[in-house]
Amino acid sequence: KQEVTQIPAALSVPEGENLVLNCSFTDSAIYNLQWFRQDPGKGLTSLLLIQSSQREQTSGRLNASLDKSSGRSTLYIAASQPGDSATYLCAVRRGGADGLTFGKGTHLIIQP
Amino acid sequence: NAGVTQTPKFRILKIGQSMTLQCTQDMNHNYMYWYRQDPGMGLKLIYYSVGAGITDKGEVPNGYNVSRSTTEDFPLRLELAAPSQTSVYFCASSYSSGQGRASDTQYFGPGTRLTVL
Repeated sequence: KQEVTQIPAALSVPEGENLVLNCSFTDSAIYNLQWFRQDPGKGLTSLLLIQSSQREQTSGRLNASLDKSSGRSTLYIAASQPGDSATYLCAVRRGGADGLTFGKGTHLIIQP
Repeated sequence: NAGVTQTPKFRILKIGQSMTLQCTQDMNHNYMYWYRQDPGMGLKLIYYSVGAGITDKGEVPNGYNVSRSTTEDFPLRLELAAPSQTSVYFCASSYSSGQGRASDTQYFGPGTRLTVL
């Protein structure tokens, strides 16, 4: 059974810092990996999707990497801003029509 | 283009009552999903559908039923509500290229917060 772990569970940093969120998964046979952002009381917003054949994806200040063989992904946030404060979720899809298996998330606070 | 919409936003049920959570997407996605999120936990898959008339169980299907009569709608039915079903329910959809694999981004609705007392 696939398990997804996110470290750290919570993180608080001053505005302007670069930071890295970590995600690990136990079964490397994944089809893709997706990073989401969730604001309190809201739904999930997709940030980046990495196919299993890709090594990284970038969108603005966000960069996600994937090392499938070691079961790891990182989300890099450059020049953090208070508006980046949210919970960040990592999820993997095994393949076919499967749904996503989620980690518990990293709760991020950016201090002004 | 509204994306994925869910109704109601909030609901309180008594033990043993029934209800249907509605989910509609207007992106012509063929794959749809239901997840639940308990406090401090990641989302868990309840049911999913790869097209009209086709549904399958996810990780936590007990106590729920689904149907998919159209591409747009994927309602989730709770027949006998229990306190353990208190959760936030999210519907999601994605597009498959038709080769039997769902490769694209999953888009999520805003969620339904359900409390069973």
